[in-house]
Amino acid sequence: AQSVTQLDSQVPVFEEAPVELRCNYSSSVSVYLFWYVQYPNQGLQLLLKYLSGSTLVESINGFEAEFNKSQTSFHLRKPSVHISDTAEYFCAVSAQGGSEKLVFGKGTKLTVNP
Amino acid sequence: GAGVSQTPSNKVTEKGKYVELRCDPISGHTALYWYRQSLGQGPEFLIYFQGTGAADDSGLPNDRFFAVRPEGSVSTLKIQRTERGDSAVYLCASSPPGLAGEETQYFGPGTRLLVL
Repeated sequence: AQSVTQLDSQVPVFEEAPVELRCNYSSSVSVYLFWYVQYPNQGLQLLLKYLSGSTLVESINGFEAEFNKSQTSFHLRKPSVHISDTAEYFCAVSAQGGSEKLVFGKGTKLTVNP
Repeated sequence: GAGVSQTPSNKVTEKGKYVELRCDPISGHTALYWYRQSLGQGPEFLIYFQGTGAADDSGLPNDRFFAVRPEGSVSTLKIQRTERGDSAVYLCASSPPGLAGEETQYFGPGTRLLVL
């Protein structure tokens, strides 16, 4: 079975500051890793995912995440945030070769203040 | 194109009643997933379909919950004898054909269920 821990339930930052949202996972098998974002009053949408290859993956709006197998982490980072990045961010895993279900963390509410 | 749609958007019912929640996946998507999200929590897996069959129903909490996808497209989640603890947002997602687990799941807006 898989589990996901998002250590911070809320992260407040100022506009143009860097941010890191932490995600650690537990699994007895290899996994795929995902970050989903939920903007206010909108549905969940994929931000980025790691399947294989380069451990650093990027999104189109400047976020990046790095898969660290030894630390079982997949932290999300952005060097300079905007007000529009205010949202809830969910880390998720699925087992390679197993059920396609996603196992989600509890989410991190990112609030970007002016 | 059209995304995943879910109806109704909100449902209020009384304890003990039966409810049906509907999901229309993106056209051409073969896999369909149901999740439940309680307040302050991440989505929790319930069941997923590949075509018409349930590939994994390990997340259904008990036998009051049942889901069908008779023609491999629209799915209905059915909850019998609802309890107050069933109150949550029920999310549906679909994904296109491809390598297992690698395809993106596209989520609908959810159905907010409140059991009084």
